[in-house]
Amino acid sequence: DTEVTQTPKHLVMGMTNKKSLKCEQHMGHRAMYWYKQKAKKPPELMFVYSYEKLSINESVPSRFSPECPNSSLLNLHLHALQPEDSALYLCASSHYSGSGGEQFFGPGTRLTVL
Amino acid sequence: RKEVEQDPGPFNVPEGATVAFNCTYSNSASQSFFWYRQDCRKEPKLLMSVYSSGNEDGRFTAQLNRASQYISLLIRDSKLSDSATYLCAVNRQSYNQGGKLIFGQGTELSVKP
Repeated sequence: DTEVTQTPKHLVMGMTNKKSLKCEQHMGHRAMYWYKQKAKKPPELMFVYSYEKLSINESVPSRFSPECPNSSLLNLHLHALQPEDSALYLCASSHYSGSGGEQFFGPGTRLTVL
Repeated sequence: RKEVEQDPGPFNVPEGATVAFNCTYSNSASQSFFWYRQDCRKEPKLLMSVYSSGNEDGRFTAQLNRASQYISLLIRDSKLSDSATYLCAVNRQSYNQGGKLIFGQGTELSVKP
């Protein structure tokens, strides 16, 4: 079972709103990721959590705040976003060494900021 | 120069054709290599991992050339359902940090009847 789930599927928010994106995996993976994908562009890494600790932050603005409550869950808290933050937000997970680091993606949350 | 480069296409081919995609990477520390397929408005789905010895899965063959720093994907007997964007990805994985997956810009494939 290579399923990563994400909620909500779609989200529309104003620039003053606070919202959260949620991601869940039950594959026993210990690394989880947030990516941002704009139309006609490849996914771009935002954050990596390793053993529930933030290990990589790709210089993401502080209006995006990740959280890893446990090994199966990953959240992305959103506050005071800009219209240019509208994109597909993808969560992924992977094992560690031995598997070659294959990452499996969830279906994404399509975010529109008005 | 981008760290991972792909021809963006689009590649328009008839059913049954053989099509090849190439991808080059610039960081020799890259450790693992993948091809993903992404349908319109969907998430990337892992198609194949790519090994130095080459690997084949049905109509799909992937090759890695570490010396020249490129990876390739060959699709034989292409089907209408192969129409998608194909993304190559390289991973620099370190213990305790997880893997940093860097994608190429993707190559759009359209298979026509």
